[in-house]
Amino acid sequence: AQRVTQPEKLLSVFKGAPVELKCNYSYSGSPELFWYVQYSRQRLQLLLRHISRESIKGFTADLNKGETSFHLKKPFAQEEDSAMYYCALKGAGGTSYGKLTFGQGTILTVHP
Amino acid sequence: ETGVTQTPRHLVMGMTNKKSLKCEQHLGHNAMYWYKQSAKKPLELMFVYNFKEQTENNSVPSRFSPECPNSSHLFLHLHTLQPEDSALYLCASSQDGANNEQFFGPGTRLTVL
Repeated sequence: AQRVTQPEKLLSVFKGAPVELKCNYSYSGSPELFWYVQYSRQRLQLLLRHISRESIKGFTADLNKGETSFHLKKPFAQEEDSAMYYCALKGAGGTSYGKLTFGQGTILTVHP
Repeated sequence: ETGVTQTPRHLVMGMTNKKSLKCEQHLGHNAMYWYKQSAKKPLELMFVYNFKEQTENNSVPSRFSPECPNSSHLFLHLHTLQPEDSALYLCASSQDGANNEQFFGPGTRLTVL
């Protein structure tokens, strides 16, 4: 079975401070990991995926297979980063092929 | 309109009613999904359709009945729902069911009285 855990439901930081949204996963094979974001009054959208290895809006995320983590980081948070962030895992084989499993989500609030 | 659209945006229904949620995508995708987003639970995958064929039913009760007449349209037929079914129902689509980014609709906020 595949599972995604985001231990923090709420995270508050001040503008300019570093931010890290935690994500841990459970999956026996080689997963594909994603971060999705939902800004206020907007629809859920993809932020980044680990296979792209790119920085989007200043955010990066590294897949750590040893720790089964995919934490989302940004060195200097901005107010416009305030949103709900979801970590998601896609299975690569068997009955979990193509199935996207989401974590509980973390609400990030960046204060001025 | 481009992207993924859902109608209605809000729906209130009684437990004995029959209603349908509609999703339409204008992206040329071949896979479509229904998700349930409850207040206190993670986003839950309900159904997956890939090239109009249902490839995933995540143990969803039979009072939810999906229909995918073509690759652009997806319905969720609702019948004799329970108050605990009240949630935001999200539709998504992707190029295919195996990979690729999923594009989400705005959702239908369902309240079951």
